[in-house]
Amino acid sequence: QVQLQQWGAGLLKPSETLSLTCAVYGGSFSGYYWSWIRQPPGKGLEWIGEINHSGSTNYNPSLKSRVTISVDTSKNQFSLKLSSVTAADTAVYYCARARRQRGNYYYYMDVWGKGTTVTVSS
Amino acid sequence: DIQMTQSPSSLSASVGDRVTITCRASQGISNYLAWFQQKPGKAPKSLIYAASSLQSGVPSKFSGSGSGTDFTLTISSLQPEDFATYYCQQYNSYPRTFGPGTKVDIK
Repeated sequence: QVQLQQWGAGLLKPSETLSLTCAVYGGSFSGYYWSWIRQPPGKGLEWIGEINHSGSTNYNPSLKSRVTISVDTSKNQFSLKLSSVTAADTAVYYCARARRQRGNYYYYMDVWGKGTTVTVSS
Repeated sequence: DIQMTQSPSSLSASVGDRVTITCRASQGISNYLAWFQQKPGKAPKSLIYAASSLQSGVPSKFSGSGSGTDFTLTISSLQPEDFATYYCQQYNSYPRTFGPGTKVDIK
């Protein structure tokens, strides 16, 4: 059964770069899209972006100028970098797997990591 | 971006009640809609994809329906473990967007 384990720095100062990594255990890495989603305290979910094993990415335009998602297929890992963080980037960050819906090329999220709390404070 | 709305934003219900949550997309998304359950301090859990298909291991008391712009999630008989916040999400187009959530709590 696939599991996602994520880690990264939990406390950042404004203007620093957020860096998180998610490792995939117990399942195939290819054939899926690997996603990042965040949730500010007490608020809803915001999709950040995704990458597949070939390195093809899709980003949320609201964050695109600051986001880089990369993949390391040799380790079955993918990573998120978010530059120039502010207090508004304080959130729980989740990684998730998106799998292809049968019969088409639309991908839905089915497995989630446990989340990493990131706080931006001076 | 496709805007997702949910109603109600919260509801109070009793164990055994039938509960229905509505999700609406700002434009047609065919059946490319998923539902997630989130409990406090936990990651979201996938319940339904393709508007009405149950994720593996999800009990059949959960059901989804709809197509186009209007969708529903129904819990047939609410149990204590079902008190949570429920989110819909469209995967028809980028960026993926979520509804604001519906909090289900105990009456």
